[in-house]
Amino acid sequence: GAGVSQTPSNKVTEKGKYVELRCDPISGHTALYWYRQSLGQGPEFLIYFQGTGAADDSGLPNDRFFAVRPEGSVSTLKIQRTERGDSAVYLCASSLTGGDYGYTFGSGTRLTVV
Amino acid sequence: AQKVTQAQTEISVVEKEDVTLDCVYETRDTTYYLFWYKQPPSGELVFLIRRNSFDEQNEISGRYSWNFQKSTSSFNFTITASQVVDSAVYFCALSEVRNTDKLIFGTGTRLQVFP
Repeated sequence: GAGVSQTPSNKVTEKGKYVELRCDPISGHTALYWYRQSLGQGPEFLIYFQGTGAADDSGLPNDRFFAVRPEGSVSTLKIQRTERGDSAVYLCASSLTGGDYGYTFGSGTRLTVV
Repeated sequence: AQKVTQAQTEISVVEKEDVTLDCVYETRDTTYYLFWYKQPPSGELVFLIRRNSFDEQNEISGRYSWNFQKSTSSFNFTITASQVVDSAVYFCALSEVRNTDKLIFGTGTRLQVFP
């Protein structure tokens, strides 16, 4: 597609539930990134994929968070046993090769845990 | 440790005024990259500029200009003759050469330009 697409744009879930957030990167982009942006804060790095593999997952806050990119294009961020503190906007970005400044960000998924 | 500080939480100006957004960074590395992004109400981050630590020349792009001063670890952003469409949250970010794929963002400055 023309840009990075994230679905859903909004997600409300109950505490303790499981959620999946989807990211469709720009076609042909090998690098994909997930960031989390809490209210009033800057985005925080979560994970970076190069192709199908997670090249750097040092930003995932705990083992409730997991992300996959099985075919090297679409990625899914999965959050188990959601907590109210997980409420944030989850941003996805892609880049042609990684290691450069050519990030294109999506509009994000706003997750609210009630 | 790496850190980016944007001390101005919110700035309000009237159209046509000039405005400067401050950014101060901390890093142990001698080689690094600095960025500015714009986040309009729609939410996506829009890339504005990338500067590497070896290039201290100031840059101008239309109404936008950037002042990089390594001696004070600052990378300030000036909008000349501001317009209502400039209203957004602006983020400064840092990446280190040994990990260029991880951006460290400041907390952002919300700019409101009133007509």
